[in-house]
Amino acid sequence: AQSVTQLGSHVSVSEGALVLLRCNYSSSVPPYLFWYVQYPNQGLQLLLKYTSAATLVKGINGFEAEFKKSETSFHLTKPSAHMSDAAEYFCAMTMNTGFQKLVFGTGTRLLVSP
Amino acid sequence: DGGITQSPKYLFRKEGQNVTLSCEQNLNHDAMYWYRQDPGQGLRLIYYSQIVNDFQKGDIAEGYSVSREKKESFPLTVTSAQKNPTAFYLCASSAPGLNTEAFFGQGTRLTVV
Repeated sequence: AQSVTQLGSHVSVSEGALVLLRCNYSSSVPPYLFWYVQYPNQGLQLLLKYTSAATLVKGINGFEAEFKKSETSFHLTKPSAHMSDAAEYFCAMTMNTGFQKLVFGTGTRLLVSP
Repeated sequence: DGGITQSPKYLFRKEGQNVTLSCEQNLNHDAMYWYRQDPGQGLRLIYYSQIVNDFQKGDIAEGYSVSREKKESFPLTVTSAQKNPTAFYLCASSAPGLNTEAFFGQGTRLTVV
């Protein structure tokens, strides 16, 4: 079955430290993968997406993600965390089930301390 | 500005009542979706619509109903049959194609009182 798994419901970093949020997928066909960010009581905003054009994808706010087929992973990174990065992050994958279905991971809450 | 508007932002429902959540988009997208968000569970698909006057059940449609009479609008009704309706509800829309992203509204937080 096609699915998305995010390891770690919470990740804590210090301001200026590296951010690494993990996402693994399961898919029998080449996937289309996305990272979204959600601030408290708000909707989701697209950070970046992988559409097979390049394995290293750069997104907004200094985030990037690398697609690794051999590891079935699409981890999100940022070299230096800012306080404003504190939010919940969702990895997602589209499936073709007769319509464009977006399947989400359970989310990772990023906490940034001064 | 193009986008998706959900209203109200906060909604309170008494036991046994039906309530309707509004979702309007001006992105000219054919596809629209309703998701439910609960802590630690990610987003789960309630209903989706690919075209006007057509919609399909998602993974957790029981206790919910929708309509799609206009391209711009996709309201969700939470009926009294939904036993645990307290949640954050998100509406989204997208253009055709598996590599296109979904655009989300700001959400409606529904609380049963």
